[in-house]
Amino acid sequence: QKEVEQDPGPLSVPEGAIVSLNCTYSNSAFQYFMWYRQYSRKGPELLMYTYSSGNKEDGRFTAQVDKSSKYISLFIRDSQPSDSATYLCAMTQAQKLVFGQGTRLTINP
Amino acid sequence: NAGVTQTPKFQVLKTGQSMTLQCAQDMNHEYMSWYRQDPGMGLRLIHYSVGAGITDQGEVPNGYNVSRSTTEDFPLRLLSAAPSQTSVYFCASRAGTFQPQHFGDGTRLSIL
Repeated sequence: QKEVEQDPGPLSVPEGAIVSLNCTYSNSAFQYFMWYRQYSRKGPELLMYTYSSGNKEDGRFTAQVDKSSKYISLFIRDSQPSDSATYLCAMTQAQKLVFGQGTRLTINP
Repeated sequence: NAGVTQTPKFQVLKTGQSMTLQCAQDMNHEYMSWYRQDPGMGLRLIHYSVGAGITDQGEVPNGYNVSRSTTEDFPLRLLSAAPSQTSVYFCASRAGTFQPQHFGDGTRLSIL
């Protein structure tokens, strides 16, 4: 079993919809949780970075962490075609950084 | 504002050839890492370094060598290229253990 599970999609939604992306994990030692966005033929770029359980908001993006359920989510409000990308969750334990498989998201105009 | 710079962007090799993928960062980050990204596999750690002169193996180190003689540079060497090493390679750096990673734009490598 992988330490971090993420549905690879693809996920396709209409412009303006609320998008929910999720990851589950099995290692309770993970301490920091991140979401990266990766456009085609580019490297991943950091979107959100959280430590504690709860919500963290940045513009149209909200990251949610539930350590008791080992479950993290990224919500995108008022989705735009420019949000079309692959979204990767990642989490750290000491030196170790583990990535989910990535979810490919398409926002249709 | 360069961040993490990888060269070359594309490369085609024949089986058995060797080559070095270059990575440089200008953020004075201590931690640097190499990942490979394959369809359906996500990002897998090849080797990493926590400072100049210190390197360690990641999840998939076989067939690759690294060295870290300076803080800025972290080259990845393929000793004898195999078709299984066809992939997109990303270099990343971060300031500390719990700091977020900054990635380069990748090297697309094909082994024939």
